[in-house]
Amino acid sequence: DTEVTQTPKHLVMGMTNKKSLKCEQHMGHRAMYWYKQKAKKPPELMFVYSYEKLSINESVPSRFSPECPNSSLLNLHLHALQPEDSALYLCASSLASGAYNEQFFGPGTRLTVL
Amino acid sequence: AQSVTQLDSQVPVFEEAPVELRCNYSSSVSVYLFWYVQYPNQGLQLLLKYLSGSTLVKGINGFEAEFNKSQTSFHLRKPSVHISDTAEYFCAVRPESGGYQKVTFGTGTKLQVIP
Repeated sequence: DTEVTQTPKHLVMGMTNKKSLKCEQHMGHRAMYWYKQKAKKPPELMFVYSYEKLSINESVPSRFSPECPNSSLLNLHLHALQPEDSALYLCASSLASGAYNEQFFGPGTRLTVL
Repeated sequence: AQSVTQLDSQVPVFEEAPVELRCNYSSSVSVYLFWYVQYPNQGLQLLLKYLSGSTLVKGINGFEAEFNKSQTSFHLRKPSVHISDTAEYFCAVRPESGGYQKVTFGTGTKLQVIP
């Protein structure tokens, strides 16, 4: 299994909703990442987990809450989002967090906040 | 800090013609270099990477890139493009050393292959 899966593919939510994005990999990778990608822009790093511990938070607002329940799963809990949070959310994983490790990306969840 | 410049936001090219997508970077430390492709409504896929060794790197789908340290460039080339190569291409760099190092992406180049 050499892929990263993400669910759901599409999500529409209101500003008062609570929802979660899920990411899963079974490649034995110990580093996992959340990126946010706005239209026609490159991905922006949000969070990095290394060995199930949060190692990097790129000053992301608290309405985004990551969780890594085990080495294969990564969640992103969403609450009280704003319309400007609408974007493609990409999950990625790598064997470890070192720079030479290739990051494998999932297909993304396209989020629309109304 | 690092920066990546992809001067061409869009590159139209006829099918079976060659293409070069340009990437220049700036960094005060040694970096690893990457090219990613993103097809519509999909995530990113690694095309190729330069870590060390030969400066000519071959990747998937017939793409190759050449690392030029003196010109701080890492241009992507393909001798003959197909319709299926239509996608967004991102050049990226990552510092070699020190704990976790963030990937810095360029702004992307949209390759449009014309039949």
